[in-house]
Amino acid sequence: NAGVTQTPKFQVLKTGQSMTLQCAQDMNHEYMSWYRQDPGMGLRLIHYSVGAGITDQGEVPNGYNVSRSTTEDFPLRLLSAAPSQTSVYFCASSSDRNTEAFFGQGTRLTVV
Amino acid sequence: GESVGLHLPTLSVQEGDNSIINCAYSNSASDYFIWYKQESGKGPQFIIDIRSNMDKRQGQRVTVLLNKTVKHLSLQIAATQPGDSAVYFCAENSGTSYDKVIFGPGTSLSVIP
Repeated sequence: NAGVTQTPKFQVLKTGQSMTLQCAQDMNHEYMSWYRQDPGMGLRLIHYSVGAGITDQGEVPNGYNVSRSTTEDFPLRLLSAAPSQTSVYFCASSSDRNTEAFFGQGTRLTVV
Repeated sequence: GESVGLHLPTLSVQEGDNSIINCAYSNSASDYFIWYKQESGKGPQFIIDIRSNMDKRQGQRVTVLLNKTVKHLSLQIAATQPGDSAVYFCAENSGTSYDKVIFGPGTSLSVIP
């Protein structure tokens, strides 16, 4: 059972470039979310989805887009990378809002 | 002892001692709380959870205490081992939508062999 798989693990982008961070889960979870983690701060919610075809914004959505065409996949798109988006990104899934979330291993993104 | 560093509160304990990690949560309406453990270079992992209708819950070597009066959550780890060295986060869920899950900044636990 793979759980939550994120790719890539590491990425360096130049300012202005776009890219997609991939997230897939094999637990048939309805809830999926993207967080960013910066030093000294807790995880901050970027976007989330409560099911295929449904997405919503979290605390820090600017500069990011998401879509949820299947239950399994929840990609995060950076439209035009900025140095402020340098962070570690985590994807998570859960079966309900009031249950534990399963996290991927993270993507360490550096924007230069 | 416990200290507040530049980024994360840190706690250093001797191997075999008990550890207590504290968390102050923000919303009195929060009804579900989780503790996560994050090892270096990995994603957070679930440790234990508690709902607001309880004040204590025990797992294997871990206990979570909830004090709703002062909005305080604590994680107790018995007989701390080197493998317990990690950052520990509390999370609270205060609403009907997923964006009401709030993570604390974390506490770094170092176990001294």
